[in-house]
Amino acid sequence: KAGVTQTPRYLIKTRGQQVTLSCSPISGHRSVSWYQQTPGQGLQFLFEYFSETQRNKGNFPGRFSGRQFSNSRSEMNVSTLELGDSALYLCATTSDREGGGYTFGSGTRLTVV
Amino acid sequence: AQSVSQHNHHVILSEAASLELGCNYSYGGTVNLFWYVQYPGQHLQLLLKYFSGDPLVKGIKGFEAEFIKSKFSFNLRKPSVQWSDTAEYFCAVNRGGGSNYKLTFGKGTLLTVNP
Repeated sequence: KAGVTQTPRYLIKTRGQQVTLSCSPISGHRSVSWYQQTPGQGLQFLFEYFSETQRNKGNFPGRFSGRQFSNSRSEMNVSTLELGDSALYLCATTSDREGGGYTFGSGTRLTVV
Repeated sequence: AQSVSQHNHHVILSEAASLELGCNYSYGGTVNLFWYVQYPGQHLQLLLKYFSGDPLVKGIKGFEAEFIKSKFSFNLRKPSVQWSDTAEYFCAVNRGGGSNYKLTFGKGTLLTVNP
C-alpha cells in the first residue's frame, strides 16, 4: 500500500508570508499528526486530527493551525512566518487502533528567509 | 507532562560490536513505547513498538528492546551492528489507553558504525 505522502518536499518562503503543507495518509489511517523537527529542539508535536476534529494540540503559537478533510487528508498552515519556523515538518498517520504504529511521511523542508 | 531522555547523543562503534542505546521516560501511567530510526536523507521508520505483553520486543533488522517498568526504561539493543546501521535513533512514548495520540520523542542518538 502507498505510504504517507507529503507535499511539497521543499519550500522557501519569506518572513511574514504564510504557507500550507499537505499530508495524505495511508489508506485506512484516519488519525493524522504533525511534528516539527529542528536540530535544536528535536521532534515536537504540533497537533493531531481524527475524523476532521483536532484531538490533541502541542505547545505552538496560534500561527500554526491545521485541518482534516473527510477523506482524512490533512493540511497544516503557518501564518506570518518567522525565521525560526525553518524546519522539517513531518506528518504521521495511524489506524487509531490500540497497538497500531505511526507511519511517517518524508516531510516538507521549509526554509524561511 | 511526559518526557523522554536518551542518554547518548553520539555513539561510535566498529562493525560487529554490540549496541545498547538507553531510553528513559517520565510518566507513571500506562505507556506505549517506540523506537524509530532515521537513515541519512530518509524518513523516520518504525523499528519496534511495545504496547503490552512480553516486555522483550523484537523488531526489524535484528533490533530488540526491553521494557523495564520499574526503571521507566526501554533500551534498544542489537548484538552485532553493521555499517548500514549508521543512522539516528529516536525513542518515543505516548500514553496508553487510546486517549492520547501525542508522541513525545527523545532528542535522538546518532549511531556511527565504522567498517
